[in-house]
Amino acid sequence: QSALTQPASVSGSPGQSINISCTGTSGDVGTYNFVSWYQQHPGKVPKLIIFEAIKRPSGISSRFSGSKSGNTASLTISGLQAEDEGDYYCSSYAGSGISVFGGGTKVTVL
Amino acid sequence: QVQLVQSGSELRKPGASVKFSCKASGYTFTSYVMNWVRQAPGQGLEWMGWINTHTGKPTYAQDFTGRFVFTLDTSVSTAYVQISSLKTDDTAVYYCARGRDSTGWDALDNWGQGTLVTVSS
Repeated sequence: QSALTQPASVSGSPGQSINISCTGTSGDVGTYNFVSWYQQHPGKVPKLIIFEAIKRPSGISSRFSGSKSGNTASLTISGLQAEDEGDYYCSSYAGSGISVFGGGTKVTVL
Repeated sequence: QVQLVQSGSELRKPGASVKFSCKASGYTFTSYVMNWVRQAPGQGLEWMGWINTHTGKPTYAQDFTGRFVFTLDTSVSTAYVQISSLKTDDTAVYYCARGRDSTGWDALDNWGQGTLVTVSS
């Protein structure tokens, strides 16, 4: 099972919106809505911010939103803040009990 | 509240074995699957697989078959990973992470603090 494809880095200024793409195949992202996104600050534990492609867990800011079209899922961070700097990973269920992560995207707030 | 507390750091020589744990509390252990995720130094997250905490049946990602074994002790709400024939490439932080449901398909909603395994001669 190949890793999902994410851009290595994305940057934006405070207050702007940024998008992070997560491209898979018809065998994972394209078939299943079990796409999730995780935020990881340096030296910290990953944190779930989006599940089932578009849903936010309780306590997660509404500035984070998810979407999916075809084989590509996306995470949008609106009203970018300094605290949003970190690494972001997507993940998708790929059938037969298997899941896969993307390679991760480093978000920099300029 | 849900808590996953992992055992401490381990140092092993190449070829040795290691076993580490993840103790759950704050919820019914057997109602949610437990996943394992590896993160090598400076690298991304790798999904290793998961174990059905109700049946004990493990599912492994392709790169984690053979040397990796997931087990449970439901009497103490604890999941374990044993790695045999350790290689230097196994040096990483290993996270346990609870699945949102009992299917193994959904997101990982609670994570342990990680166990650092260092393999060095």
